[in-house]
Amino acid sequence: SAVISQKPSRDICQRGTSLTIQCQVDSQVTMMFWYRQQPGQSLTLIATANQGSEATYESGFVIDKFPISRPNLTFSTLTVSNMSPEDSSIYLCSVERDSPYEQYFGPGTRLTVT
Amino acid sequence: AQSVTQPDIHITVSEGASLELRCNYSYGATPYLFWYVQSPGQGLQLLLKYFSGDTLVQGIKGFEAEFKRSQSSFNLRKPSVHWSDAAEYFCAVGSTFGNEKLTFGTGTRLTIIP
Repeated sequence: SAVISQKPSRDICQRGTSLTIQCQVDSQVTMMFWYRQQPGQSLTLIATANQGSEATYESGFVIDKFPISRPNLTFSTLTVSNMSPEDSSIYLCSVERDSPYEQYFGPGTRLTVT
Repeated sequence: AQSVTQPDIHITVSEGASLELRCNYSYGATPYLFWYVQSPGQGLQLLLKYFSGDTLVQGIKGFEAEFKRSQSSFNLRKPSVHWSDAAEYFCAVGSTFGNEKLTFGTGTRLTIIP
C-alpha cells in the first residue's frame, strides 16, 4: 500500500482565484494521478503525472485550468486556476503501487468556491 | 473503451444481514477489477482486487468478490454487515491495453439500519 497526504484538506476560495493542492507520498512512485469528485458523483480522472514528463490530461481538462507539477518521485501539485463555483469538488491524488492499475488514494481536498 | 456499471445507487441493509453489491463491466479482454470504499469525508480505500487466477477473492474488512466472466460481473459480498460498513462503494476496471488508467463506476451508497 502507500501513505499519501494532501494539503490543504479543505478550503473555501473566492471565484477568480487559484488554489494549489499538494500531494506527498511516503516512498517513490512512478505514476501519480489527479481526480475530481463532484458532489455526489464518481471519480473523474483529470490527468496522469509522471516524473520527468509533462502531465497527460484527459478529455475536458486543460493545462491552463489545471496545471500540474511533478518535481520528484514523491510529490506533485495540482493548481485549480481562475476558479468558479463549478470547480467546487473533492480533488484526490492517487499513486500506482504494487501491481499495474492498483491505485492508492490520498484523503482528498474539499474545495468550495464562492 | 471499458466501462463499469453499478446498477444500485443506494442500498439499505440491516446490521448483521448479508450484503451483495453489483458491478458489471464492459471490456473485451481480461480486466483488472477493483472494489474501493469511501467513508464520509475520506479518500478511497482499496478493499480487494482481481487480476487472474481464483475467481473468488478475499479482501479486507471481511469482504469478498467473485469474478464471473460469463456474466461480466464482479460482485462484492459480505456475510454480515456492521454499522461501520456504511459508506460509498466503487467498482473500478483497469485496461490491459497499457494506458494505466482506472475507470470507476458511479458508486453504491450503503446505509446500515439497526
